[in-house]
Amino acid sequence: DAGVIQSPRHEVTEMGQEVTLRCKPISGHDYLFWYRQTMMRGLELLIYFNNNVPIDDSGMPEDRFSAKMPNASFSTLKIQPSEPRDSAVYFCASTTTTGLHEQYFGPGTRLTVT
Amino acid sequence: AQSVTQLDSQVPVFEEAPVELRCNYSSSVSVYLFWYVQYPNQGLQLLLKYLSGSTLVKGINGFEAEFNKSQTSFHLRKPSVHISDTAEYFCAVSHAGNMLTFGGGTRLMVKP
Repeated sequence: DAGVIQSPRHEVTEMGQEVTLRCKPISGHDYLFWYRQTMMRGLELLIYFNNNVPIDDSGMPEDRFSAKMPNASFSTLKIQPSEPRDSAVYFCASTTTTGLHEQYFGPGTRLTVT
Repeated sequence: AQSVTQLDSQVPVFEEAPVELRCNYSSSVSVYLFWYVQYPNQGLQLLLKYLSGSTLVKGINGFEAEFNKSQTSFHLRKPSVHISDTAEYFCAVSHAGNMLTFGGGTRLMVKP
């Protein structure tokens, strides 16, 4: 299996622009998580899905952030409008119901908002 | 609520020396405990986990951790580190189906 795939790996954008991050989970995994990692706040869970349905989005920082999972093999995290404080590494992870505690992480997307 | 504290943000150590990375957690109920490793510019990968049974857990790359319920600790150890062990290590806790709560991470820096 190719593992969790994220794109792009790096994104540089200007403040106010829309940013879309993409994730393809491991085939057969029914849970998908979006995390954000910064030096100041460490690793934070933003939102997670089960069977394509958002279960807990309490970690989403503001209304500028939105996430969707239109099917079992694709999810997006969108920031509109972006701000410099959104600069971080965003990780996607997936797992199965039986292996709920062992999450498989993608390589991350490093976002820089100038 | 659960929380995880990694007492050291950075641990410098010479190659072939032993190392211990400390992790303490707080929870009012039984938990599952994990260590993840993040190599530079990569995502996290599972190093080892404690779900039940023996309190000494062995993981990949020669690492092991010991669950101590009375001290609410889950310290990670390796008897002899290599340069390739340089990475950030995250302790995490989960309770029966809840999501993972991660500690702040410990950066292990192995020097030649």
